[in-house]
This record gives sequence, C-alpha cells and structure tokens, in this order.
Amino acid sequence: EVQLVESGGGLVQPGGSLRLSCAASGFTFSSYWMSWVRQAPGKGLEWVANIKQDGSEKYYVDSVKGRFTISRDNAKNSLYLQMNSLRAEDTAVYYCARAGGGSIPDWFDPWGQGTLVTVSS
Amino acid sequence: DIQMTQSPSSVSASVGDRVTITCRASQGISSWLAWYQQKPGKAPKLLIYAASSLQSGVPSRFSGSGSGTDFTLTISSLQPEDFATYYCQQANSFPPTFGQGTKLEIK
Repeated sequence: EVQLVESGGGLVQPGGSLRLSCAASGFTFSSYWMSWVRQAPGKGLEWVANIKQDGSEKYYVDSVKGRFTISRDNAKNSLYLQMNSLRAEDTAVYYCARAGGGSIPDWFDPWGQGTLVTVSS
Repeated sequence: DIQMTQSPSSVSASVGDRVTITCRASQGISSWLAWYQQKPGKAPKLLIYAASSLQSGVPSRFSGSGSGTDFTLTISSLQPEDFATYYCQQANSFPPTFGQGTKLEIK
C-alpha cells in the first residue's frame, strides 16, 4: 500500500523554526517528484514546494521563498520541509504528496494525513 | 500565475441527484487538470486527472470533461459519502494552482 506519513508539526512562536518530515512507503520513492501542500484553517489548498526525483530541482511558492527549504533522502524514503522565520500566516495543515513520476510534476496522489503547524505567541 | 475559478462555491443536493461543478482557468491549460475530493479533517483524494481520466478505485459515477479553459466534474447519482468539498488543480504551468473549492452539502 502506498503511504505517506507526516510528522514534526506543532506550536511555534513567530520567527521560529520547525522541520517537517514525511515517511514514504509502498512505492519507489526515488522515482517521483514530491511536494508539500498546505491548508490554512477553514481555507483552500495552496501548493508550497516541489522537489525532483534526484533533488536537483526545487521550486517554491513566492510567499515562502528564502524561508522554507524542501529536501529529500532517497535512501531513507523521506521528504523534509525546513521552515524558518515562521509567520502567523504560515499556520496550516501541511500535507506531503507524491507529484508524478515524469520529467515534470503533475497531480498530487496520494496525500499524507497532514501535520498541523501553528505559529502563535 | 494561472487562476482557477470554481462555481458554484457551494451547492445543496439530495441523494440520487446529478451534480455538476465547473472550473475555469484564467488561460488555456490543455487537459492538465485534476479534481480532488476532501472530507472534513481528512486529506484530499485524487478523483480525476488529465481532465477526464478516472483514478483507480474511484466510482464510475464521477466523471470529468473539458479542455482549454473550461472543465466540469459531474457526479451522476449522489451517494451519502459524496458530500464533501471538491477542488480543481491545474498542472499546465508553474506554480500549480487550485480552485477555491466547492462545498457539496446535503439538501
């Protein structure tokens, strides 16, 4: 069974840092683009970042550029999101999602269960 | 960025009804469109990809159509488990963007 399990969320003060992890199983992790997508409380879905199969390409939504870093460890079947200089507007459930096995990312499938990040003093 | 606009934002319907949700892209995206279903407190689930391809395991009452800028998701006969929020997403160009969602409620 293809599965993604996120961890690392929690309460952090504005300006603080947090590192999210996503453990993948049931598929050849190194063959797929991976992504982080977030959802603020009561709001819609917002793509955050993508990383290519070998980690050679990384893309970010403008609002997190310079603050967030996506990375992966194919030997550990794991995806990460290092979040620095956190702001209140970063408060959301963060989902890890598989984003396609081709040369470009496409659909998000499957998704993890999500991990809640709350930025508040 | 490509803007995705869904309509309606919410719809009330009854079990057995046929429901259609529309998604419009601010510029042409060919068939690079997906539909997701999200239930409260759960992760989104892929229903349709490439505008009209049914994801494995998704009931055949779900169907998608369209290309270019206008797309539809149709549920042919609503079941109780279909009451949820539905999102479209374009994958034609960077960054990937989602519609604002359509909440399907029980009448």
